[in-house]
Amino acid sequence: GESVGLHLPTLSVQEGDNSIINCAYSNSASDYFIWYKQESGKGPQFIIDIRSNMDKRQGQRVTVLLNKTVKHLSLQIAATQPGDSAVYFCAENPGGGYSTLTFGKGTMLLVSP
Amino acid sequence: DAMVIQNPRYQVTQFGKPVTLSCSQTLNHNVMYWYQQKSSQAPKLLFHYYDKDFNNEADTPDNFQSRRPNTSFCFLDIRSPGLGDAAMYLCATSRTLGTEAFFGQGTRLTVV
Repeated sequence: GESVGLHLPTLSVQEGDNSIINCAYSNSASDYFIWYKQESGKGPQFIIDIRSNMDKRQGQRVTVLLNKTVKHLSLQIAATQPGDSAVYFCAENPGGGYSTLTFGKGTMLLVSP
Repeated sequence: DAMVIQNPRYQVTQFGKPVTLSCSQTLNHNVMYWYQQKSSQAPKLLFHYYDKDFNNEADTPDNFQSRRPNTSFCFLDIRSPGLGDAAMYLCATSRTLGTEAFFGQGTRLTVV
């Protein structure tokens, strides 16, 4: 059967709180980053992206912050809702330009009503 | 309205019996990917096609093969599934490399 997986970091919040999910990346040449949301039993779903020439990008209820100095990416979700409960992955384009995405380890977000 | 469609959603196969997973896309994207995802882990890229050019990841076992007969379809063939191959298999597409990837809903493979 399937091997036992690693234990995912988990963030537990109350409905209505703001959530911040963090991601560290390793490749200073990475020039494009995406946050994906994956609900149980489903494929990853695009949330928001950012290119390395920006340090902040906002969407509907979500903001991505990029700190290239410390190679850190964060996803902020405003007024978190129970429907936001999922695993969140950051992904980077490590080669710069034309290369395949590399996924980070993922964080599980649990939202209590 | 699904843009990347994977069939079947759930597949049970016997140990050692070849199995094929299917993916189709309506986006007319150049790139198609196959990822393996095990419980509580990130998706792991197995290989991708850029048009007809096949690109295998260095650590993808020979047991995994892929075919892309046309732009819309891509198949994952597992020649002799082992118990360790039980996982979620995700197909994705992108317009080109280095851009947003669109994922299908995945096929959950069980090996008995």
